[in-house]
Amino acid sequence: GENVEQHPSTLSVQEGDSAVIKCTYSDSASNYFPWYKQELGKRPQLIIDIRSNVGEKKDQRIAVTLNKTAKHFSLHITETQPEDSAVYFCAASEVAAGAQKLVFGQGTRLTINP
Amino acid sequence: ETGVTQTPRHLVMGMTNKKSLKCEQHLGHNAMYWYKQSAKKPLELMFVYSLEERVENNSVPSRFSPECPNSSHLFLHLHTLQPEDSALYLCASSLQTGPYEQYFGPGTRLTVT
Repeated sequence: GENVEQHPSTLSVQEGDSAVIKCTYSDSASNYFPWYKQELGKRPQLIIDIRSNVGEKKDQRIAVTLNKTAKHFSLHITETQPEDSAVYFCAASEVAAGAQKLVFGQGTRLTINP
Repeated sequence: ETGVTQTPRHLVMGMTNKKSLKCEQHLGHNAMYWYKQSAKKPLELMFVYSLEERVENNSVPSRFSPECPNSSHLFLHLHTLQPEDSALYLCASSLQTGPYEQYFGPGTRLTVT
């Protein structure tokens, strides 16, 4: 089955700097890679996703890159702000028993220091 | 945020109790999920339902029993739980199973004493 590894587990950056979180996956058949943000005490929410036919996607200060050959994808946050502090989860799709499901990474706790 | 709701928000139960968690989605989705979130395994998929039919059971112990009476409601029946089952239980829904955004509920914080 699919295995997703996420690094680092914790990340601390100064406000205004950039943050990068990296994930690797094992199943070359995976074709969908979302990123979720979970603020303290709140539910996970999708912030950006990318499909396997695209190499990069941007949405304002957030971007995701995908390298299918190397089977890794990354989240880039530029000009970080205090409200970016949260736990971020990457995920990769996996088809099992005829249904496509998501396999999540272990999460990265991002802290933005003012 | 009322798309996916869960009740109760907090639950404390003894190991011999029987309780149920409820999830309801108002988004017209056809797929629903139960996840367990703990410090050891942040987002662990338990069950997947598509059009009220269970399509995935991720090797979950039988003391957890899901029920999906219709595409808007999902239950997780609990009995004879262990202290290590204490966790946040998250429900989610998506348009279908597959490459679609999953919308999570607020979760039920379960403590087993």
